[in-house]
Amino acid sequence: AQKITQTQPGMFVQEKEAVTLDCTYDTSDPSYGLFWYKQPSSGEMIFLIYQGSYDQQNATEGRYSLNFQKARKSANLVISASQLGDSAMYFCAMREGDTGFQKLVFGTGTRLLVSP
Amino acid sequence: DTAVSQTPKYLVTQMGNDKSIKCEQNLGHDTMYWYKQDSKKFLKIMFSYNNKELIINETVPNRFSPKSPDKAHLNLHINSLELGDSAVYFCASSHRLSYNEQFFGPGTRLTVL
Repeated sequence: AQKITQTQPGMFVQEKEAVTLDCTYDTSDPSYGLFWYKQPSSGEMIFLIYQGSYDQQNATEGRYSLNFQKARKSANLVISASQLGDSAMYFCAMREGDTGFQKLVFGTGTRLLVSP
Repeated sequence: DTAVSQTPKYLVTQMGNDKSIKCEQNLGHDTMYWYKQDSKKFLKIMFSYNNKELIINETVPNRFSPKSPDKAHLNLHINSLELGDSAVYFCASSHRLSYNEQFFGPGTRLTVL
């Protein structure tokens, strides 16, 4: 069974607008973590934001925020004020367990294209 | 300062050859990983080492052999390369006490001809 689902293969947004990238997850572990990574065309994986299952507040990092809805098992990434440089693949990933040496399970990614 | 580095960045080789990819991290992390990203961009864990000990070994052919000489290094050796091994291989690292971060290297694009 797919543990991380990203249903949007591609998204388009105009510069300066906000965009939401969807991510749903499946786990029975009460302790888990959700990550978002950006992969630009140059290929590197850039860590964006993290949300822990016990975190009371939604995570924010600059223009990135994570809309965490635990009951719905969703962890959507919101990018505010999109920039041309935000055009990239975005991956949602989950770590099960509460230690730092657990593997990440990735979704299939969403390709975001920001137009002028 | 490079946090997680991999060499080489590109590797083109013939079927049947043996090749290695090296990974080093200077973050003081105690856990390192190898992930494979296929042509459809899907990323999947291959191996994980914590303090030089193998802790995760997904169903990877035994032609793939990771080696961790110390906590800061995790190398990947691949024997008898096959066409299907063509992919981007990412090294990553984390610390078992820092559950909210896992940093990736720049990736190694392996092409098997």
